[in-house]
Amino acid sequence: AQSVTQPDIHITVSEGASLELRCNYSYGATPYLFWYVQSPGQGLQLLLKYFSGDTLVQGIKGFEAEFKRSQSSFNLRKPSVHWSDAAEYFCAVGYSTLTFGKGTMLLVSP
Amino acid sequence: DGGITQSPKYLFRKEGQNVTLSCEQNLNHDAMYWYRQDPGQGLRLIYYSQIVNDFQKGDIAEGYSVSREKKESFPLTVTSAQKNPTAFYLCASSISRDSGANVLTFGAGSRLTVL
Repeated sequence: AQSVTQPDIHITVSEGASLELRCNYSYGATPYLFWYVQSPGQGLQLLLKYFSGDTLVQGIKGFEAEFKRSQSSFNLRKPSVHWSDAAEYFCAVGYSTLTFGKGTMLLVSP
Repeated sequence: DGGITQSPKYLFRKEGQNVTLSCEQNLNHDAMYWYRQDPGQGLRLIYYSQIVNDFQKGDIAEGYSVSREKKESFPLTVTSAQKNPTAFYLCASSISRDSGANVLTFGAGSRLTVL
């Protein structure tokens, strides 16, 4: 069965500092991996996806993620966080149906 | 602009009542999905539909029902059999469940509160 673990429930980062959100997955074949972002009371927006090829993928809003098969990880990074990045972030894995992690809430301090 | 419209955004229901949440998409997507979101629980799949007049149960289908009479519409009924229906419900769609890995487009959600 496929599963996703996001070990950090909350993370606080100072504005301008770098960010890394962790995601570990379990999947029986080549994984298809996603990061979504959700603002309070809203739906989810796709940040980036990995299907195959280059293990470093670029997304919207300056985010990137690196797929590491040996570690079963797909961590999300951003070099400099902006206050508008405060939101909840979800990692997901799957092919025909997606399994989501429980999310990481990002707080940005001034 | 194409997208997914969910209504109502907020809904209050008394215990024992059924309620139907609307989901309409104009993206010409074949597949549609309903997820339930609870604080700290992520998203859990309720039902999905790959094609008109066909749908499958997800991980937590008990107490819910759906229909897919039109390609653009996928309403979800929360029945009185659902023991804990208070939650945020998200509808999503994708081009085709069989066209490759799914990239989901989400609606803005409907928040259901049972009084």
